[in-house]
Amino acid sequence: GAGVSQSPRYKVTKRGQDVALRCDPISGHVSLYWYRQALGQGPEFLTYFNYEAQQDKSGLPNDRFSAERPEGSISTLTIQRTEQRDSAMYRCASSLGGDEQFFGPGTRLTVL
Amino acid sequence: QKEVEQNSGPLSVPEGAIASLNCTYSDRGSQSFFWYRQYSGKSPELIMFIYSNGDKEDGRFTAQLNKASQYVSLLIRDSQPSDSATYLCAVNIYSGGGADGLTFGKGTHLIIQP
Repeated sequence: GAGVSQSPRYKVTKRGQDVALRCDPISGHVSLYWYRQALGQGPEFLTYFNYEAQQDKSGLPNDRFSAERPEGSISTLTIQRTEQRDSAMYRCASSLGGDEQFFGPGTRLTVL
Repeated sequence: QKEVEQNSGPLSVPEGAIASLNCTYSDRGSQSFFWYRQYSGKSPELIMFIYSNGDKEDGRFTAQLNKASQYVSLLIRDSQPSDSATYLCAVNIYSGGGADGLTFGKGTHLIIQP
């Protein structure tokens, strides 16, 4: 079966632009997670959803970051007014609602 | 503040030997513990999880958990060059909403020498 997919795989944008990163979880997975991973570091938790409900957004760095999952499947992470410090790999993971999270390939964001 | 600590390495182990990877965590409320393997340029891949004190074996991998010492480890027996990767330790705490996001360590870079 298909795994977690993310698009785009690479995104280059200019400082000040808004970007939207998409995650399509494994079919039937209830929970969806967003992480950010800097080079040489482990993934850093941003936010997660159970179905369409956002359960925890404590990891979002500031109010420029937001996420939604309106129909309980595909999710979008939006970063407004991007800054160079936002450059990182953004990873999405999904799970059946238990602990085992399966990661997608990530979106490499570069802010110039 | 939840913290997960790992030695970043690199840890160099001869082929065929046992690789031992260690992790400590700060929050006594942590309930679930995970080891992910991440090859360079790839996404993390779950290889083991453990919930209870003691050992859990899966093929060449053994996870060990000691909640009193807030310590979790991963042993890889008969190490192969293909085991060379970064190994990420992660912990989870349940909230009222179910399984929370994971808190990861920085990872240990393991090199298996042929």
